[in-house]
Amino acid sequence: AQKVTQAQTEISVVEKEDVTLDCVYETRDTTYYLFWYKQPPSGELVFLIRRNSFDEQNEISGRYSWNFQKSTSSFNFTITASQVVDSAVYFCALSEAGGYNFNKFYFGSGTKLNVKP
Amino acid sequence: DGGITQSPKYLFRKEGQNVTLSCEQNLNHDAMYWYRQDPGQGLRLIYYSQIVNDFQKGDIAEGYSVSREKKESFPLTVTSAQKNPTAFYLCASGPGQGLNQPQHFGDGTRLSIL
Repeated sequence: AQKVTQAQTEISVVEKEDVTLDCVYETRDTTYYLFWYKQPPSGELVFLIRRNSFDEQNEISGRYSWNFQKSTSSFNFTITASQVVDSAVYFCALSEAGGYNFNKFYFGSGTKLNVKP
Repeated sequence: DGGITQSPKYLFRKEGQNVTLSCEQNLNHDAMYWYRQDPGQGLRLIYYSQIVNDFQKGDIAEGYSVSREKKESFPLTVTSAQKNPTAFYLCASGPGQGLNQPQHFGDGTRLSIL
């Protein structure tokens, strides 16, 4: 079973529309972290945000906001008033303990966002 | 500036040839990782290393080999046994310990078959 599921393979929106990228995770650990990364066409993954399993407060950073709900094991990412520069592949990831004080990362399959002018 | 450097950016492999992808980091991270990215499949873990002179297989290690002789370096060799090597390869590093620490990524190497 997938540890991190991003059901939306590709989304296309017109500039200035709001868009939400879904992320559902699976873990038995009580302590874990969730991350979002952005991969622009250049290829490098850029870290955007992390949340720990004990903090369900939503977070807003400019046009970006994140909604973490443990009850539904979801960590969704919303871009408000999207811009062409937001076009990229977005990855959700889960970090949990992997033994020997080593954390294991699990990545979703990514959602490609196309923002058209 | 601290970061991860992958080289080359593009690499072509002839049939039966082994090729090595370079990954160097100056972030003083203990852990390093290699991922393979195919279209629509996200990131798949090939190998990872928690510390110098130690490494473990990831989910798709067959046809690949690594070494970790120095903390800064984690080269990946794509051997001739890897029959479908065409993909985008990403190297990452992280502190290893600490669940809250994100992995940092290089710019990637795109490998193609000649």
